[in-house]
Amino acid sequence: ETGVTQSPTHLIKTRGQQVTLRCSSQSGHNTVSWYQQALGQGPQFIFQYYREEENGRGNFPPRFSGLQFPNYSSELNVNALELDDSALYLCASSLVSSGPTDTQYFGPGTRLTVL
Amino acid sequence: KQEVTQIPAALSVPEGENLVLNCSFTDSAIYNLQWFRQDPGKGLTSLLLIQSSQREQTSGRLNASLDKSSGRSTLYIAASQPGDSATYLCAVLNFGNEKLTFGTGTRLTIIP
Repeated sequence: ETGVTQSPTHLIKTRGQQVTLRCSSQSGHNTVSWYQQALGQGPQFIFQYYREEENGRGNFPPRFSGLQFPNYSSELNVNALELDDSALYLCASSLVSSGPTDTQYFGPGTRLTVL
Repeated sequence: KQEVTQIPAALSVPEGENLVLNCSFTDSAIYNLQWFRQDPGKGLTSLLLIQSSQREQTSGRLNASLDKSSGRSTLYIAASQPGDSATYLCAVLNFGNEKLTFGTGTRLTIIP
């Protein structure tokens, strides 16, 4: 158990819809990262939030957006869903103090299917 | 741009054998390297983390080594068990970068 939880576990949406995925970080962790994992692939970095501000973004379009809240919860929002957005979405929390991110603790993921 | 490669993509071995999984990366300016386990449809479980200044880390039957100069890491699993069947992913964190870069994983099957 990493202490990181995600909801919902599974989700089915249709093309063009919007979706919000949620993550609850470990208490005390000030950083949350989101990753997309397509079937048979390694996770791909979407973005990271540090103290409620975006702190880096991967090669994902602006329709992928996020929020981080003071209570260690965060959201990943995806607008105008496309079929290729079908994937496992993972969040990872970590504590960044004076240096780079150390161990990232991953949640169980949300499986999104876009029809 | 960091690229991480894992070979082989899939591996099947009889129970009880020792085995080695390989990971290579192109940019040696890493902060750390991490090995994860992923069961089908599940999240990632961290197995071992090696800081750039370290050569190896051990946890139970697992031993991970790091050769930063050659851009390689290995995960050694001793006395394999059917419960070790899973996909194993390695990931690196570069200096000045906030993201983990993952390989595509090795799918390991231990045959009883």
